[in-house]
Amino acid sequence: DAKTTQPPSMDCAEGRAANLPCNHSTISGNEYVYWYRQIHSQGPQYIIHGLKNNETNEMASLIITEDRKSSTLILPHATLRDTAVYYCIVRVDNQFYFGTGTSLTVIP
Amino acid sequence: DAGVIQSPRHEVTEMGQEVTLRCKPISGHNSLFWYRQTMMRGLELLIYFNNNVPIDDSGMPEDRFSAKMPNASFSTLKIQPSEPRDSAVYFCASGLWGSNYGYTFGSGTRLTVV
Repeated sequence: DAKTTQPPSMDCAEGRAANLPCNHSTISGNEYVYWYRQIHSQGPQYIIHGLKNNETNEMASLIITEDRKSSTLILPHATLRDTAVYYCIVRVDNQFYFGTGTSLTVIP
Repeated sequence: DAGVIQSPRHEVTEMGQEVTLRCKPISGHNSLFWYRQTMMRGLELLIYFNNNVPIDDSGMPEDRFSAKMPNASFSTLKIQPSEPRDSAVYFCASGLWGSNYGYTFGSGTRLTVV
């Protein structure tokens, strides 16, 4: 049911920006893009969501392309605690269907 | 707010036994979701409720699985009888139906059936 495609893994140097891409080419006009992350053994944690405009909060920024077929989650200054699996999700009818996500490793 | 509370955190049971997992959603949230996570299948949506009413249980794997939400502050997921392949981490999440905000997940129950 997942409507998104993400690279399986990425590395990022500590202190640098982590840019996590996501493709959602079949997204409908009123469907939002959400990002969650899951740190080992914990429940998924909400990060950010957006429809068409770029969004920023205290955790991250979300850049959505004009055609809405892809997006990028940006962690501006990655720390070791940001090592986790990051899920890009297109919400369908009030439900979240998780794909396989991107395993981000922040390297000291 | 204590967040979504799940109990127990860990459960070890023998094959054939009944297992009950519990979830207390965030006060004021009117939707509740049960997920299962395994290495092989990732995070799977099992069932969800809106205003205590089950909306879609198509993700429930077998008739051995059942879920109830008797009131707005409590839900259970029951497996009877349990089998080794039910071993997984079970997550509960709650949110506001129709809201664009994300849902909040609990810390999960790690179930091991031996």
